[in-house]
Amino acid sequence: RKEVEQDPGPFNVPEGATVAFNCTYSNSASQSFFWYRQDCRKEPKLLMSVYSSGNEDGRFTAQLNRASQYISLLIRDSKLSDSATYLCVVISGGGADGLTFGKGTHLIIQP
Amino acid sequence: EAQVTQNPRYLITVTGKKLTVTCSQNMNHEYMSWYRQDPGLGLRQIYYSMNVEVTDKGDVPEGYKVSRKEKRNFPLILESPSPNQTSLYFCASSLTLAGAGEQFFGPGTRLTVL
Repeated sequence: RKEVEQDPGPFNVPEGATVAFNCTYSNSASQSFFWYRQDCRKEPKLLMSVYSSGNEDGRFTAQLNRASQYISLLIRDSKLSDSATYLCVVISGGGADGLTFGKGTHLIIQP
Repeated sequence: EAQVTQNPRYLITVTGKKLTVTCSQNMNHEYMSWYRQDPGLGLRQIYYSMNVEVTDKGDVPEGYKVSRKEKRNFPLILESPSPNQTSLYFCASSLTLAGAGEQFFGPGTRLTVL
């Protein structure tokens, strides 16, 4: 299984700031990319898919950089409720064994 | 409400005592999978199923069994639990294998094996 890596953090960020973090992947043939959010002791929930052209959903922007093999998540005007662990998911092939979760980046928004 | 349910949510057991964690989804999803999550190791896939009667090993299948007799249910069986299986377990489903990047997760089962 190819590697997917994330900085575990924690990232301590003041409320209202903009924060961005990346997820790098080693398999250049990777096809699909996603960001999940996981609150403490809760289940992961899909935050957004990552499209080749980049995509935005409110304060959240996801981007893909194929040349450097990473995806990014940017959060603008961060809220206290954004505090969570953010997991990236990379799918490298058509089979189920091509799906890999990153270990997550822990984000703490401070008042 | 579309959801994935797991039972029990919490379980403390002893080494060697067989147990089953149930998982059920009401979304008619074909693809279902089991993960365990441990500090520092992230989510690791145990088993997955692409459809009824079709199951396959994930990254950490040792010590676990699964079955998929019905589309909605995907139980996880620990025939002889050991302390190293103490973990947080998640069941997840997606519409198809191709859509496995967009999975719905159950609320988790926290298992402690003494």
